[in-house]
Amino acid sequence: AQRVTQPEKLLSVFKGAPVELKCNYSYSGSPELFWYVQYSRQRLQLLLRHISRESIKGFTADLNKGETSFHLKKPFAQEEDSAMYYCALNYGGATNKLIFGTGTLLAVQP
Amino acid sequence: DTAVSQTPKYLVTQMGNDKSIKCEQNLGHDTMYWYKQDSKKFLKIMFSYNNKELIINETVPNRFSPKSPDKAHLNLHINSLELGDSAVYFCASSQRRNGYTFGSGTRLTVV
Repeated sequence: AQRVTQPEKLLSVFKGAPVELKCNYSYSGSPELFWYVQYSRQRLQLLLRHISRESIKGFTADLNKGETSFHLKKPFAQEEDSAMYYCALNYGGATNKLIFGTGTLLAVQP
Repeated sequence: DTAVSQTPKYLVTQMGNDKSIKCEQNLGHDTMYWYKQDSKKFLKIMFSYNNKELIINETVPNRFSPKSPDKAHLNLHINSLELGDSAVYFCASSQRRNGYTFGSGTRLTVV
């Protein structure tokens, strides 16, 4: 069955430190993966998707099919990066049905 | 000119009541969704409509009934509200296999 695992509930780093938010998935088909961010009491926003291979707000994520991972990275954390981050997998194909991980709260300390 | 708008933002109601949450998108997307975010911030899909047609109906009590009068609107009606229905409900829309655009959420509190 399809599954998205984010092993860390909370990740606390200091400003300027590197960040890696882990995401592993389980899916028999060809995965389409996304990262969403939710700032305090705000809507979820799409941060990036693996097919775009883009960098948004300094974040990048590479799909590693061998390790079934899609970790989110940023070389230097900023205080404004503090938010809840969700990894998501499209397992519905054309129906675009997303399953979300349980989320990781990133807290960037000054 | 909010892309996906939900009303109301907050809803406090008593057990047993019936309530509705409305969602509208002005992006021209074909597909709309309802997700529930529980107190542990876990997100779970409830329903999805594509061009007014129900395409995803997860294991949700039948007290929850979605209605899509047109492809820009997807409303959620909840009958006989229970304490366990307290959560944040997010509406979202998407076009083909692109990512979702979410509404700002409706925080439902059942007392």
